Amino acid sequence: DAKTTQPPSMDCAEGRAANLPCNHSTISGNEYVYWYRQIHSQGPQYIIHGLKNNETNEMASLIITEDRKSSTLILPHATLRDTAVYYCIVRVADGSARQLTFGSGTQLTVLP
Amino acid sequence: SAVISQKPSRDICQRGTSLTIQCQVDSQVTMMFWYRQQPGQSLTLIATANQGSEATYESGFVIDKFPISRPNLTFSTLTVSNMSPEDSSIYLCSVPVEGDYNEQFFGPGTRLTVL
Repeated sequence: DAKTTQPPSMDCAEGRAANLPCNHSTISGNEYVYWYRQIHSQGPQYIIHGLKNNETNEMASLIITEDRKSSTLILPHATLRDTAVYYCIVRVADGSARQLTFGSGTQLTVLP
Repeated sequence: SAVISQKPSRDICQRGTSLTIQCQVDSQVTMMFWYRQQPGQSLTLIATANQGSEATYESGFVIDKFPISRPNLTFSTLTVSNMSPEDSSIYLCSVPVEGDYNEQFFGPGTRLTVL
């Protein structure tokens, strides 16, 4: 699986959009971008994933650049409960159940 | 979705003892993963638990130290043997979404402190 690079920490004001970047310059054509988050003292939680098109669900939006070498997770209206470590993971979605390889992630702190 | 429970939620153990962590899933799953998260660190995969066969361990993890059982499709245990303070971590089990595998669900974790 391709390696990802994320900033170690970010702050965001409550109610504003949180934009979390991720670089994955070695991504292969059949690898997806996944985002998980881990709120303190909890297990990681799936947020969203995408291949090359932008994706949106009830939690967030995922913007993937045209060359697929980087992506941005957007939390449109951050709340205090969004304070967590956010992990960007790149892996093949080939229908097999494979483990996730976690990097160091980004600690997002939402400030009141 | 899958609901995963782990027991115990936390424990404090003495050096040299062993602790068995249980992971229960509310549905049948083919694979279960066990991860370790050391203080301030990211998650590291320990092993993959397959029902009916021996677990597959990642580099740096051995069966004698982390024996795993998988007696059925909804349950697994991870034992941390002959513990030392370096084993103080959060241990999490995880299962992929059956039939999709794009998403994985994680248990709440077991916080282990070894004195």
